Amino acid sequence: GNSVTQMEGPVTLSEEAFLTINCTYTATGYPSLFWYVQYPGEGLQLLLKATKADDKGSNKGFEATYRKETTSFHLEKGSVQVSDSAVYFCALITQGGSEKLVFGKGTKLTVNP
Amino acid sequence: EADIYQTPRYLVIGTGKKITLECSQTMGHDKMYWYQQDPGMELHLIHYSYGVNSTEKGDLSSESTVSRIRTEHFPLTLESARPSHTSQYLCASSGLQGRNEKLFFGSGTQLSVL
Repeated sequence: GNSVTQMEGPVTLSEEAFLTINCTYTATGYPSLFWYVQYPGEGLQLLLKATKADDKGSNKGFEATYRKETTSFHLEKGSVQVSDSAVYFCALITQGGSEKLVFGKGTKLTVNP
Repeated sequence: EADIYQTPRYLVIGTGKKITLECSQTMGHDKMYWYQQDPGMELHLIHYSYGVNSTEKGDLSSESTVSRIRTEHFPLTLESARPSHTSQYLCASSGLQGRNEKLFFGSGTQLSVL
């Protein structure tokens, strides 16, 4: 079946540090890949996505590249801010109308000033 | 932005009470979902619906029930709440299919059963 594995948190960084959150996946066929973010006290919101191999999704300074050869979709940001403190979820969906999003377990990021 | 609303935001009730968590969306989305989020932040799909009069159980077994009588409304009911039901409940909707699926989430209901 389809699954997503994220690096376990929590992750604590200082402001302006470089961020990487690892995500690898197992899927039948060619999935679309997503990163969702959940800020404190809120629901999740889509951060970025990539729908085919070698695509790069980007938003708010975050980037992730769809790597089919390593089945990975690692999230990166060059310089994190305190406002980036949140829980980050990697997710995938495969083609087909009845498929549902499969989420990783989430990685909590705390950025200290 | 997303127009999906959950009420109440917080609910504290005693054991044995019947409760309904409300979820409404104004985007005309056919697909709606309920997730239970544990303290470790992991999401568990407990119910979903692909349209009016369509409801399915999710990956995690739940004693709750749902209904979908109107497109915009997807309430979740617990007939007799127990402390084990204490959790964060997130509702979501999507109007897109397959590879372009994008979920819009409500802000959640934090349920505490004493």
